[in-house]
Amino acid sequence: EIVLTQSPGTLSLSPGERATLSCRASQSVSSSYLAWYQQKPGQAPRLLIYGASSRATGIPDRFSGSGSGTDFTLTISRLEPEDFAVYYCQQYGNSPKTFGQGTKVEIK
Amino acid sequence: QVQLQESGPGLVKPSETLSLTCSVSGGSISSYYWSWIRQPPGKGLEWIGYIFYSGSTKYNPSLKSRVTISVDTSKKQFSLKLSSVTAADTAVYYCASQRGDSPFDSWGQGTLVTVSS
Repeated sequence: EIVLTQSPGTLSLSPGERATLSCRASQSVSSSYLAWYQQKPGQAPRLLIYGASSRATGIPDRFSGSGSGTDFTLTISRLEPEDFAVYYCQQYGNSPKTFGQGTKVEIK
Repeated sequence: QVQLQESGPGLVKPSETLSLTCSVSGGSISSYYWSWIRQPPGKGLEWIGYIFYSGSTKYNPSLKSRVTISVDTSKKQFSLKLSSVTAADTAVYYCASQRGDSPFDSWGQGTLVTVSS
């Protein structure tokens, strides 16, 4: 099983600032099959990024993903008020499909 | 994208079987893999398993001995059964879809299942 470790656990930032979230895998993720999701309280996760760096349909270009192998990053270039949420990475190239434990982006 | 809706009891007694159904609309049930994912209150996400329309399944080894996922293509529904539940199985249960080697692109709204006597 591929274990995904996200850091930091919580990120305290102000609107307009840049957010950098990390996801590290215990072994190489096949074909960069790495996704990022955003989850707000009481809602299902929403797909943001797939294939490590491709934005899902309708996702603003302030969200970007990068990385390969075992190290991946989600960057939010300028935080909007609606971006404060929990973010999860997920690998879907190996079974079982696994998620990181999440990074909470909170308002400073 | 398809639309998904979970249904089933919100309260299950310990040692009994949790049963949920996910109804699919807005797309063909034969085009996707259909998964169940759960999230204990205040915690992270755990993939339970998936089924393809043909009936082939794959389960998370951590739950494999207790999980059965089935599909009814005529009703455009797929179902989850989790046996011998304990309080640790209390969670929001989501159904979700994916196309082959792809992420989960559609999710249901989730349904909270509490295991308690």
